[in-house]
Amino acid sequence: EAGVAQSPRYKIIEKRQSVAFWCNPISGHATLYWYQQILGQGPKLLIQFQNNGVVDDSQLPKDRFSAERLKGVDSTLKIQPAKLEDSAVYLCASSLDLGDRGSTDTQYFGPGTRLTVL
Amino acid sequence: KQEVTQIPAALSVPEGENLVLNCSFTDSAIYNLQWFRQDPGKGLTSLLLIQSSQREQTSGRLNASLDKSSGRSTLYIAASQPGDSATYLCAVSNYKLTFGKGTLLTVNP
Repeated sequence: EAGVAQSPRYKIIEKRQSVAFWCNPISGHATLYWYQQILGQGPKLLIQFQNNGVVDDSQLPKDRFSAERLKGVDSTLKIQPAKLEDSAVYLCASSLDLGDRGSTDTQYFGPGTRLTVL
Repeated sequence: KQEVTQIPAALSVPEGENLVLNCSFTDSAIYNLQWFRQDPGKGLTSLLLIQSSQREQTSGRLNASLDKSSGRSTLYIAASQPGDSATYLCAVSNYKLTFGKGTLLTVNP
């Protein structure tokens, strides 16, 4: 079974530039998550999709971050413009559950994209 | 607001030792608790998931316990091996996952 795929694996940009990350979840998984993991911290949920609808984006900095999940499968996370404090690993995860009663199913994580903002 | 704390932040042990990693959380209204493993440059791998109605889960040399009322969980690793070296993360679910900062484990040959 193929796992969660993410690209690119690494990205270096200058501050104020824009960047986009791509995620392909495990086939058949209804729920997709984007997390931000700053060095030395645990992952923080940015946005959660159920199929192609947003379930939770309360911790997404909406003035600069945006995300979409077209057709309920692949997802893209964009940052525009980037700040120094956005340097982190961006993790995508997916799970079978519908997410409406809590994360009751195991989440499967991709390898992440390491972003460095100079 | 849910807060998850993991102690110790780092642990170094000789091969073969049994060890315990600790996790505490502030809000006991959770659906489940999960332990993850993270290797450098890689994503997270789920090790064990304990539903809120359960007390423990076992997988091979790993055993995780949950005391929801006191807001505590432990991950017990038996007969540690160098391949167990990684960061171990605890996460609780009450609608969404809230992670601790992790424990960096080093098992020395």
